[in-house]
Amino acid sequence: EPEVTQTPSHQVTQMGQEVILRCVPISNHLYFYWYRQILGQKVEFLVSFYNNEISEKSEIFDDQFSVERPDGSNFTLKIRSTKLEDSAMYFCASETSGGAGVTDTQYFGPGTRLTVL
Amino acid sequence: AQSVAQPEDQVNVAEGNPLTVKCTYSVSGNPYLFWYVQYPNRGLQFLLKYITGDNLVKGSYGFEAEFNKSQTSFHLKKPSALVSDSALYFCAVRDDSNYQLIWGAGTKLIIKP
Repeated sequence: EPEVTQTPSHQVTQMGQEVILRCVPISNHLYFYWYRQILGQKVEFLVSFYNNEISEKSEIFDDQFSVERPDGSNFTLKIRSTKLEDSAMYFCASETSGGAGVTDTQYFGPGTRLTVL
Repeated sequence: AQSVAQPEDQVNVAEGNPLTVKCTYSVSGNPYLFWYVQYPNRGLQFLLKYITGDNLVKGSYGFEAEFNKSQTSFHLKKPSALVSDSALYFCAVRDDSNYQLIWGAGTKLIIKP
């Protein structure tokens, strides 16, 4: 069964450093998402991406964050200058069609635990 | 504003007994409701969803959920709990106007032998 994969599983970085979290969505999926889950808190939406553009983003997704689909398989989340409060589990998700009014299912990767020291 | 409430932080059930994990929601448009499960150190695994039609939805591992429009609820159920069902369960909702899923806080389900 196809799965969303994410690398690395755990990333430790120093405050102020740039990190790139990588995801390989399911191959025939067209919509991609990043969510995060700070320890003990709710899962929070960051951004959705379709057709090489951001389709929706939350208030969390400020100028320090960016997303890219550099090739036909990878989907990346970059944090330019990490802060302590960026420490969280970051989940990538993909779905076949997505979009407003569409009733598809988002499938999630195993997550990357980001620790900012 | 859209929101999801899972009123119980933890639910304890004896193995073999029925289980219910509660979820209520608030959306402005038509609700599309989802349940996901998270095992320790694992990702979010899809269990089932309600889109339209029959209010009782069946999903993976014997789980089902009942959509109740008047009570704006989508409770997760299983007739006979297994120890292996112990995990963190999340309810999520999206509506016609948003790509994102809105999540509940999660309910820790503990099944005791």
